[in-house]
Amino acid sequence: SAVISQKPSRDICQRGTSLTIQCQVDSQVTMMFWYRQQPGQSLTLIATANQGSEATYESGFVIDKFPISRPNLTFSTLTVSNMSPEDSSIYLCSVRPAGLYNEQFFGPGTRLTVL
Amino acid sequence: GESVGLHLPTLSVQEGDNSIINCAYSNSASDYFIWYKQESGKGPQFIIDIRSNMDKRQGQRVTVLLNKTVKHLSLQIAATQPGDSAVYFCAAGGNQFYFGTGTSLTVIP
Repeated sequence: SAVISQKPSRDICQRGTSLTIQCQVDSQVTMMFWYRQQPGQSLTLIATANQGSEATYESGFVIDKFPISRPNLTFSTLTVSNMSPEDSSIYLCSVRPAGLYNEQFFGPGTRLTVL
Repeated sequence: GESVGLHLPTLSVQEGDNSIINCAYSNSASDYFIWYKQESGKGPQFIIDIRSNMDKRQGQRVTVLLNKTVKHLSLQIAATQPGDSAVYFCAAGGNQFYFGTGTSLTVIP
């Protein structure tokens, strides 16, 4: 398994500002992902964080709005840029330590409220 | 992408009874499936997985059934306990996972 921590755990931000969320894993992992979960809803995949290269974004998500970094195999950041109230959500980091067709684990999430 | 849906948004069962949560997926290319449990304020917790070359897999008190013909997945929980109360999601995919809408399970003591 993998132990995943996220910072911050929650934040309240003003419209138009940006927030960077950090994801730290206790071991090197092959695959890392970022998801969004709006209140009472399911999880939506934002992007796959690729180590050493640009992230791969899902339809409806763009790099300018959600820039992602993954400098090594244990760490990634997601920035929510130029925030609006519609960005209020829980943002979750997820990892698949052993690669394809293996368990995928989730962090505790970052609860973001945009005023 | 993948569209994943669940048949019922809520499910209530008596403690000790068996629970069955269903899920439908749309992409026949999906070849790996996971069930997650999410408690309030926490991230999803892995329960059990199954690959497309199997139609049944059992864990501790849980069984996942996969019907590729109709693109349907189910999670069976035996002897449901109050601690099983949570939202359950199925996820389908391969390289990336796409999640269903979730079923909220309430166990009545």
